Amino acid sequence: AQKITQTQPGMFVQEKEAVTLDCTYDTSDPSYGLFWYKQPSSGEMIFLIYQGSYDQQNATEGRYSLNFQKARKSANLVISASQLGDSAMYFCAMREGYGNKLVFGAGTILRVKS
Amino acid sequence: DTEVTQTPKHLVMGMTNKKSLKCEQHMGHRAMYWYKQKAKKPPELMFVYSYEKLSINESVPSRFSPECPNSSLLNLHLHALQPEDSALYLCASSQGLDKNQPQHFGDGTRLSIL
Repeated sequence: AQKITQTQPGMFVQEKEAVTLDCTYDTSDPSYGLFWYKQPSSGEMIFLIYQGSYDQQNATEGRYSLNFQKARKSANLVISASQLGDSAMYFCAMREGYGNKLVFGAGTILRVKS
Repeated sequence: DTEVTQTPKHLVMGMTNKKSLKCEQHMGHRAMYWYKQKAKKPPELMFVYSYEKLSINESVPSRFSPECPNSSLLNLHLHALQPEDSALYLCASSQGLDKNQPQHFGDGTRLSIL
């Protein structure tokens, strides 16, 4: 069964606007971590933001925030004030169980238009 | 610039060649990882090392042989690869295997098998 689902293969956003990238997950482990990574065309995976399953507050890192709805098992990434440099592939990932093993969603390609 | 350094950035090799990929980090991290990523797909975990010992092998074919000579260095030795092994190989590190610690990735090595 798919553990991480990203339903948006591609998204467009106008520069300076906000955009939400969707991520839902499935796990029976009460302790898990959710991550978002950005991958530009150059290939590097850039860590953006983390949310722990026991965290009470939604995580924020600069222009990135994570809309964590535990009951719905969703962990959407919100990027505020989009910039041209935000154009990239974005992966949602979950870690559960032993070994810090990350399971990635299929990814969403974001294109920022000027 | 990424704090995880991978060399070479590009590698083209024949199916009978032997080559090695190298990964280095100087963040004091004690866990290191190899991922394989095919085009337009998410990364897939291959190996996990913790404190220089192999912790996870995701049933990777023996033509891939990992090595962790010290806590800062991770190698992936390649021998008798197949054309389907052409991919981006990503190295990552984290402080440990704790679920709350993000993995930090290198730029990757783009491998092409002729």
